[in-house]
Amino acid sequence: AQSVAQPEDQVNVAEGNPLTVKCTYSVSGNPYLFWYVQYPNRGLQFLLKYITGDNLVKGSYGFEAEFNKSQTSFHLKKPSALVSDSALYFCAVRVPVPGNTPLVFGKGTRLSVIA
Amino acid sequence: EAQVTQNPRYLITVTGKKLTVTCSQNMNHEYMSWYRQDPGLGLRQIYYSMNVEVTDKGDVPEGYKVSRKEKRNFPLILESPSPNQTSLYFCASSSESNQPQHFGDGTRLSIL
Repeated sequence: AQSVAQPEDQVNVAEGNPLTVKCTYSVSGNPYLFWYVQYPNRGLQFLLKYITGDNLVKGSYGFEAEFNKSQTSFHLKKPSALVSDSALYFCAVRVPVPGNTPLVFGKGTRLSVIA
Repeated sequence: EAQVTQNPRYLITVTGKKLTVTCSQNMNHEYMSWYRQDPGLGLRQIYYSMNVEVTDKGDVPEGYKVSRKEKRNFPLILESPSPNQTSLYFCASSSESNQPQHFGDGTRLSIL
């Protein structure tokens, strides 16, 4: 069965510093990987995805993520954090086979960027 | 504007009183899903639909029903709600399985 782990419940970073939110996954086969962000009282918003190709994926709001097959990781990064980046971040994985392959989410990491 | 609309946004009700949460998308997406979000558990899929009249169970389907009679609508039905169904619910849609999902703003249900 596929699973996603976000090992940190909370990440604190100073404004202007680089940030990393970690994600590791477990699937059989090649995964589709996604990052979503959730602001208070809102639904999840898509940030970026990895389907195939270049291991470094760039997404919305200056975020990027690196797919590492050997380490089964897909960490989210940003070179310079903003206070407005403070939110709940979810990593998700799906196995690309026909039929209902649910999008499996990690438990989320709360990012707090301090001015 | 492309969107997924859920109603109601908030509902407090009592055990056993049937309720329906509506979900509608205006993007002509084939795939639609319902999730529940609980603290420390992330999002878990309740039900999934690949197209009209095609629905499938997700990870936590017990106590829920869905229907997909039209492409744009995917209501979530709680026939006999119980307190353990108190949660934040999200509807989502996508055009393909490898495409990002668009989420509604959520429905917070409290079952007393």
